[in-house]
Amino acid sequence: GDSVTQMEGPVTLSEEAFLTINCTYTATGYPSLFWYVQYPGEGLQLLLKATKADDKGSNKGFEATYRKETTSFHLEKGSVQVSDSAVYFCALQRTGGFKTIFGAGTRLFVKA
Amino acid sequence: KAGVTQTPRYLIKTRGQQVTLSCSPISGHRSVSWYQQTPGQGLQFLFEYFSETQRNKGNFPGRFSGRQFSNSRSEMNVSTLELGDSALYLCASSLSWDKDNSPLHFGNGTRLTVT
Repeated sequence: GDSVTQMEGPVTLSEEAFLTINCTYTATGYPSLFWYVQYPGEGLQLLLKATKADDKGSNKGFEATYRKETTSFHLEKGSVQVSDSAVYFCALQRTGGFKTIFGAGTRLFVKA
Repeated sequence: KAGVTQTPRYLIKTRGQQVTLSCSPISGHRSVSWYQQTPGQGLQFLFEYFSETQRNKGNFPGRFSGRQFSNSRSEMNVSTLELGDSALYLCASSLSWDKDNSPLHFGNGTRLTVT
């Protein structure tokens, strides 16, 4: 079945460091891929998405590229801020009414 | 536009009781999904409703049930509560069931504690 695998956390970085959170997936066909972020005490919110191979999603300085050949969708940010501290979830969604499948989440701590 | 609203935010129940959680989706959204979030299991899919019909179902026991009303609002019910049901229950809405890349919009969740 479909699945999403994320790197385990927590990830601890200093402010202005480079961030990479790895995500790989297994799915039939060509799913859409998403990154969601969850801040303390809140629900998840969409960070960025990509709907086909080689698409790059970007938002708030975060980027991720849909790599079909490696079935990956790694999240990157060039310079993290303390306010980026949160839990990040990679997710996939197949067309045709299938449920959205989430990875386990990666907690990020950014130190000032 | 108002976001997804879940009520109540916090709930404390005793083992054996039952509970009903409510979710109001974003206006115009017709699909509602429910997820259980726990530190050990992460986000687990419960079920999804569209046009008052359950379209997808996760691997949860029959004690977990849901429904959707004609105005797209949804409720989930858990009967005979167990300690392991303590979790954050998240509701998410999207434009349609056959989402075709339409992302989920989450509420802030209902924190259920079973004692």
